[in-house]
Amino acid sequence: EAQVTQNPRYLITVTGKKLTVTCSQNMNHEYMSWYRQDPGLGLRQIYYSMNVEVTDKGDVPEGYKVSRKEKRNFPLILESPSPNQTSLYFCASSRNPLSIGYTFGSGTRLTVV
Amino acid sequence: DAKTTQPPSMDCAEGRAANLPCNHSTISGNEYVYWYRQIHSQGPQYIIHGLKNNETNEMASLIITEDRKSSTLILPHATLRDTAVYYCIVSRMDSSYKLIFGSGTRLLVRP
Repeated sequence: EAQVTQNPRYLITVTGKKLTVTCSQNMNHEYMSWYRQDPGLGLRQIYYSMNVEVTDKGDVPEGYKVSRKEKRNFPLILESPSPNQTSLYFCASSRNPLSIGYTFGSGTRLTVV
Repeated sequence: DAKTTQPPSMDCAEGRAANLPCNHSTISGNEYVYWYRQIHSQGPQYIIHGLKNNETNEMASLIITEDRKSSTLILPHATLRDTAVYYCIVSRMDSSYKLIFGSGTRLLVRP
């Protein structure tokens, strides 16, 4: 089944403890992106990647890192999480966002205490 | 990207057509209209998109007015599983291919 898989689905962590949220897609998509969703603010793009080794900042990149060493994986790294990064995170991928649309993962609900 | 305006909520009866309006009066010529939906807190799901012409797929139809200032998403036979928040997004899809999600329309399908 074609899908975007995020792990973990839920995570509670403490301030400052580095964590990684994994994202993997099995559709050979070039384009991948991370969004966060917060009440009243909608979904906002954090980082995106046009292809392997090509990444760029979205609208809210502060406090996050990403890497794209292989086409299928696009992990989101929080080097020193803070409570304001408590949010619902979604990874998305597409072969051609202009003409096809995105496939989103099921989400990762992160709580930083 | 152009701003969109959607009603905050709507409802329709199961089996009837759901018509969800979207106003995008400042849309420019190279901007597409995209529709996504989000069921509860699941990942958004792509529904359909268009530039000028009306579009139809297995999920829905998209009607774009001739002046492109508004559009309507039509779910021809709504089911309870169509209860969701529906987002109308206008984007020229520049190099970031970013989607800007507004607050959407919460559609409730009644039994």
